Amino acid sequence: EVHLVQSGTEVKKPGESLKISCKGSGYTFNTYWIGWVRQMPGKGLKWMGIIYPGDSNTRYSPSFQGQFTMSADKSINTAYLQLSSLKASDTAIYYCARIHRELTGDGFDIWGQGTVVTVSS
Amino acid sequence: SYELTQTPSVSVSPGQTARITCSGDALPNQYAYWYQQKAGQAPVLLIYKDNERPSGIPERFSASTSGTTVTLTISGVQAEDEADYLCQSADTSGTWVFGGGTKLTVL
Repeated sequence: EVHLVQSGTEVKKPGESLKISCKGSGYTFNTYWIGWVRQMPGKGLKWMGIIYPGDSNTRYSPSFQGQFTMSADKSINTAYLQLSSLKASDTAIYYCARIHRELTGDGFDIWGQGTVVTVSS
Repeated sequence: SYELTQTPSVSVSPGQTARITCSGDALPNQYAYWYQQKAGQAPVLLIYKDNERPSGIPERFSASTSGTTVTLTISGVQAEDEADYLCQSADTSGTWVFGGGTKLTVL
């Protein structure tokens, strides 16, 4: 069965950094794009960017340019989202999700469980 | 920036049909996708490429397009369908966008 499992809840202070992981299983991880999506408290979804683990090719949403970094280690089937200089406004749930281009086009067909990030002094 | 507009809320009684719309200027030229998100859970892909259903999604979920509006239809609504429904598409540059979501209440 296909799964994306994300790292656990994070509580950080303003100015700190964090790195969220997303580990895939049940499929060939390095041949599917992985996207990152933010959901602020009580709000909708916002697409942040995508990464292709096979060659770490990335595409960032213009809305988030420079605010975070995506990376991947295909040897351990894991993608990462790194947030730096955290602000209270970074408080959100961050999801990773798979894109199955051949089947579902640009739809995210498999989602991680989400990582809750709280930034507070 | 490009936006997809959804009605904030829709209410229907069990067994009725719910229609949830999503509007955006680029929709005639870009595929639409629909997700269901229940409280405290990750989204689930309901519809891809305008009107295709992934395996495992019940047939009561369907979608259609008409100009700049796409519509998700839930036939024979069940209590378990109470959730937020979000559309996704892209602008003319290929940047993906989600709609603000529609909260479906089953009365």
